[in-house]
Amino acid sequence: GAVVSQHPSRVICKSGTSVKIECRSLDFQATTMFWYRQFPKQSLMLMATSNEGSKATYEQGVEKDKFLINHASLTLSTLTVTSAHPEDSSFYICSAPPGQGALGYTFGSGTRLTVV
Amino acid sequence: AQSVTQLDSQVPVFEEAPVELRCNYSSSVSVYLFWYVQYPNQGLQLLLKYLSGSTLVKGINGFEAEFNKSQTSFHLRKPSVHISDTAEYFCAVSGSGGSYIPTFGRGTSLIVHP
Repeated sequence: GAVVSQHPSRVICKSGTSVKIECRSLDFQATTMFWYRQFPKQSLMLMATSNEGSKATYEQGVEKDKFLINHASLTLSTLTVTSAHPEDSSFYICSAPPGQGALGYTFGSGTRLTVV
Repeated sequence: AQSVTQLDSQVPVFEEAPVELRCNYSSSVSVYLFWYVQYPNQGLQLLLKYLSGSTLVKGINGFEAEFNKSQTSFHLRKPSVHISDTAEYFCAVSGSGGSYIPTFGRGTSLIVHP
């Protein structure tokens, strides 16, 4: 089945530094990737949609300059948290929409970001 | 626009007991419905989905859900739970045409006690 590999699974960084999160589709081509943020005990909030070869679409209230999204190829989408602050600490998950024959959206395993 | 309401934030249950996790949705268009499970510090895994056809949908790990259009519900059930079923469960809805980006409920934490 379709697999999305996300890494790192955990990262701790200092305030002011940048962190890159990668999501790779391993056995299929993902022209679209969704990026979600999940706060503790809460649901997934869609942050942005990345599209291969074009600019990402951000949801209202999401800072484009802080959360840089790049979809450089059909198998790789990245989210870079720039100048991270403690309030950016969260669980970030990527997801690819179902392709032909797939059962549903395929999620990465998530990245726990802690900014100290 | 569409929305999902998961009525229970937490459901404690003893092992081998039956469980029902409730989900109601609202939408102005035809919908697809999903249940996902999330284990600690992991991504989401699809349990089952309803697209069309039979309103009773069977998924993995012994779970099933029933689509009730008149009550706009899609409750998840399992006749006998295991300790390993302890996890967060999310109900999601997406439009069946046009924008298919799913909207997720707030999640229900299923806690199975020995």
